[in-house]
Amino acid sequence: KNQVEQSPQSLIILEGKNCTLQCNYTVSPFSNLRWYKQDTGRGPVSLTIMTFSENTKSNGRYTATLDADTKQSSLHITASQLSDSASYICVVRGGSQGNLIFGKGTKLSVKP
Amino acid sequence: EAGVAQSPRYKIIEKRQSVAFWCNPISGHATLYWYQQILGQGPKLLIQFQNNGVVDDSQLPKDRFSAERLKGVDSTLKIQPAKLEDSAVYLCASSLVRGEQYFGPGTRLTVT
Repeated sequence: KNQVEQSPQSLIILEGKNCTLQCNYTVSPFSNLRWYKQDTGRGPVSLTIMTFSENTKSNGRYTATLDADTKQSSLHITASQLSDSASYICVVRGGSQGNLIFGKGTKLSVKP
Repeated sequence: EAGVAQSPRYKIIEKRQSVAFWCNPISGHATLYWYQQILGQGPKLLIQFQNNGVVDDSQLPKDRFSAERLKGVDSTLKIQPAKLEDSAVYLCASSLVRGEQYFGPGTRLTVT
C-alpha cells in the first residue's frame, strides 16, 4: 500500500535552534517528493521538490534530503524563527496512477 | 499573479443542512483539485478536474458530495446533507497539467 509516514507528530523548539523532520514512504513507483509548509488557516505552500536522482536541495534555511534507496526524506530547518511555526507536510507523487500521497504532517511550534 | 481564490473562508451549519464552496483557480490552470483536510491530518483528494471533465473522483462520497466545473474555470463543491464528520477544511488547488499544485486558503467547515 502506498503510504507516507511522518515523524514526529509535533515538535516544540526554541527560537534560533535547528530541527529535523522525518518522512518515510512506501510509494512505488516513485516520481518525486515535496515538502509543503502549511500555516494555520492557510493552504500548503511548496518548499522543495526532489526527484529520484537528487540527494539534497536547499531553499533558504530549509534543506531537504532524499535517500531513494531507504525511501526516507528529511527536512532540516536552520536557525528557526517564530514564523517557522506551521505544519510541514511530506507529499510523494507516485504509484500506478501518479497520484499525490500526503503524509499527516509534523506540527512545529517555535517558542521565543 | 493572483492565487487560487476560495469562498467562503468559514462556514458553520447544522447537520443535515446543505453547503456549497466556491473555487477560482489560477488563470490558465487546466487542472483543479478539491481536498478535504480533517484536523491533524494531511489533505485527502476528493475530486480532480481536467478542464471541465472529471479525472478522479474515487474518494468522493457521492451520496452526499457533488462537484462541478461547468465552464472549465471555476468550480463548486456541494455537500447535501452534511454530517458531523464532514467538519474539516476544504482546500482547492490548481495546476498546469501534472505540474506543481497551488493551494487556496481553504474553507473551514464546522457542522454542529
